[in-house]
Amino acid sequence: QKEVEQNSGPLSVPEGAIASLNCTYSDRGSQSFFWYRQYSGKSPELIMFIYSNGDKEDGRFTAQLNKASQYVSLLIRDSQPSDSATYLCAVVQYNAGNNRKLIWGLGTSLAVNP
Amino acid sequence: EPEVTQTPSHQVTQMGQEVILRCVPISNHLYFYWYRQILGQKVEFLVSFYNNEISEKSEIFDDQFSVERPDGSNFTLKIRSTKLEDSAMYFCASSETLSRVPAFFGQGTRLTVV
Repeated sequence: QKEVEQNSGPLSVPEGAIASLNCTYSDRGSQSFFWYRQYSGKSPELIMFIYSNGDKEDGRFTAQLNKASQYVSLLIRDSQPSDSATYLCAVVQYNAGNNRKLIWGLGTSLAVNP
Repeated sequence: EPEVTQTPSHQVTQMGQEVILRCVPISNHLYFYWYRQILGQKVEFLVSFYNNEISEKSEIFDDQFSVERPDGSNFTLKIRSTKLEDSAMYFCASSETLSRVPAFFGQGTRLTVV
């Protein structure tokens, strides 16, 4: 069974700080990685995706991927109280017929304190 | 901005009853998905649907579950005889192409089986 693991937290950071969220995955063949944000009782919202080793930046968000270590992270710079949410890491699993589905981590709860 | 719409937002049903959860995907999207999230647990893939047939289904998606796209706009998930353990948030999602995993999720239907 392919797994995606995250520290459930809660991760607490002060406003303006950098929040660092981490995710590991078990399938060495995984190619595509996604970060979703989920507010309590709401649906997941795609923040970023990354396919290649290294960093990918989008505004205050940076995704980092290290396939050799099977590790993907999300950095949030200048954290705001509105960033307080659960951050879900998801990895694409490919199956026969090129079907693909997302395998999800449990999520890390982030609290940004004013 | 286009969005995936789900109804109802909350459904309470007696154990053993049939329920139908409804979704209207984004109009030009071709791939449709159902995911569920039991409270406090990971998001889980249920089924993907393309070209009027199931592309893939998980082990959760047993004979009690079915999906249908009855009229070219709605995408429904039917649970024939609900069990207590079916209580969860059910998310519909859609994507434009197979190469894009679901970026757009509906707001979810909270199903409570009593």
